[in-house]
Parts: sequence; C-alpha cells; structure tokens
Amino acid sequence: DAGVTQSPTHLIKTRGQQVTLRCSPKSGHDTVSWYQQALGQGPQFIFQYYEEEERQRGNFPDRFSGHQFPNYSSELNVNALLLGDSALYLCASSQFSGAYQETQYFGPGTRLLVL
Amino acid sequence: RKEVEQDPGPFNVPEGATVAFNCTYSNSASQSFFWYRQDCRKEPKLLMSVYSSGNEDGRFTAQLNRASQYISLLIRDSKLSDSATYLCVVNRANAGNMLTFGGGTRLMVKP
Repeated sequence: DAGVTQSPTHLIKTRGQQVTLRCSPKSGHDTVSWYQQALGQGPQFIFQYYEEEERQRGNFPDRFSGHQFPNYSSELNVNALLLGDSALYLCASSQFSGAYQETQYFGPGTRLLVL
Repeated sequence: RKEVEQDPGPFNVPEGATVAFNCTYSNSASQSFFWYRQDCRKEPKLLMSVYSSGNEDGRFTAQLNRASQYISLLIRDSKLSDSATYLCVVNRANAGNMLTFGGGTRLMVKP
C-alpha cells in the first residue's frame, strides 16, 4: 500500500518564476492538504482540497493556488516566486468522514529553493 | 502571539533520562490535540493523539489541560532513536481538518 507521494523531491527556481508541485494521496484517501515548512519552523497550513474544490485556506496570498484531480491527486502552484517561498512543501492526505478530524498522513515533501 | 507555542530547545539529555515537553495553545475552540515527531529533513509523523484523560503509549505519556490550554509530552527511559523534533499540533472544531503546528521542540539524546 503506497503512502503519500510527492514530486519532485527537490527544486531550484529563481525569483519571479512559477512552480508546480505534485502530490498523490495514500490509497483510499480523498482529501489533500498542503503545508509550507520554513527552516526551523513548524508547518503552516496553505489549503485543503476535497471533491476537487478548495475547502479551507490558510493565510497565504493568491500567488498560491491549487487543484485536485478526479483521482484525488493534487497540485500546488506558486506564481511570482519570492526568496521567502524557499521551504519544504508538505502534502498530507486523509479520508473525509464528516467529523472534524481525520488522521493526516504526510508525504516526504518537496524542498524548494528560490534564488 | 502564535496560536501554538513550544520551547524550541534543544533539550540535551543522556540515554535513560526522563524528559518533558510543554505546549500552550491560545484558541479555546481547539478540539483535537496531537504530538507529531519529525526527524531531520523528513516529514512529520503522528506520535500520539492527546486526550483530556491523558494517554500513554509505551514510554510516552501525553496530558491535556483544557482549563490552562496546556499540553504535555513525557518521554521515559530516553533512547538515542528518540532524537528528533517534537511538534505540538491542534485542530479547531470550526476549522475543518486544518492542523495548526507549534514551532517544535528539538530533543537530542546522548550516549
């Protein structure tokens, strides 16, 4: 049973460029959440997708956008990259149950460096 | 003020020691509480959920004090393999499944 997978593992971009990160959820999971983790800090919630719609959003600018596909996989897009966007981007998947909490399983992350 | 606050450490302890981490949260609407463990350059992994009655999993004990909005994690008989960053995590009932993480407490267990 494959866990959460993310691609690419590492990425180097320059300021102003755009980047797309990808996530495949754990088998049987239908909800994908994205988090940004800057060096030395805890992860911060970006947004969550369920049924191909953005359901929750954290305090991130519109430069951060996403998409969920019918197979539940998801993409995170960041436009007009800033140096401060350098971080580990984590994807977490869960199975929606109608309750306010389902266990989230994290992928290995994509490490983005903006120069 | 951050919604979830932790002492960043590092806590340097010898093998076999008992170590305790504390965490405070500011939003009284928080409903679910967790400790996650994160190894260097790896993803966070759920260590244990935290319940009001307190709960234990082997050498690990977690406690929740809702009145003080305080969460703790106790590790007994520390092993070298316990060296990691421990993240305190809360979830608010009106925030769907959005996890709010503390900054983490780094533990280093020495031989």
